[in-house]
Amino acid sequence: SSELTQDPAVSVALGQTVRITCQGDSLRSYHASWYQQKPGQAPVLVIYGKNDRPSGIPDRFSGSSSGNTASLTITGAQAEDEADYYCNSRDSSGNHRVFGGGTKLTVL
Amino acid sequence: QVQLQESGPGLVKPSETLSLTCTVSGTSISNYYWSWIRQPAGKGLEWIGRIYTSGSTNYNPSLKSRVTMSVDTSKNQFSLKLNSVTAADTAVYYCAREMVRGVTTTYFDNWGQGTLVTVSS
Repeated sequence: SSELTQDPAVSVALGQTVRITCQGDSLRSYHASWYQQKPGQAPVLVIYGKNDRPSGIPDRFSGSSSGNTASLTITGAQAEDEADYYCNSRDSSGNHRVFGGGTKLTVL
Repeated sequence: QVQLQESGPGLVKPSETLSLTCTVSGTSISNYYWSWIRQPAGKGLEWIGRIYTSGSTNYNPSLKSRVTMSVDTSKNQFSLKLNSVTAADTAVYYCAREMVRGVTTTYFDNWGQGTLVTVSS
């Protein structure tokens, strides 16, 4: 079982705002990173650290954290944002990495 | 531009050893952490482990008894061996570079395209 918990599926209307969450005790101590994965493709990093975006990632993607929950927010979701999203962080020991189970985002 | 490319057999027999290599281009392999991550069809991502260019490793506790990672800095490559495989090890295997920023921040910034490994007789 994963030490990071995500909702299996979330939907959002085109142009609206959606928050995808990731819960785990290790998130009280470590930042989460977030990955977007489209069918048949490798995951792509979209958010890391406190709220950093790699070059080329639109600024509608943002990250935040509170207590044991990290969140990925997409402000003004686009059709191309429909994908699976995974969070990742250290586990409770700090020595290993763990992924959340993933959230399938549907843009309506 | 950093690029990673996985290579190795796409079919492995049960009880045998899965062997994959990741070739890194666009940057020196030195002074970074390099990870293996896998994804069974229709399922989520699973971190297998990581290796630093010094040879230091960390493995997923659930796979630790079967995993060995190594690095060859002269070839800019790192490798994965997973022994005693079963059908449950059938997955797309990705290699990735892990960046570490202090104690609190780690992330995988560059990924290979992935390679499907099927365990079947």
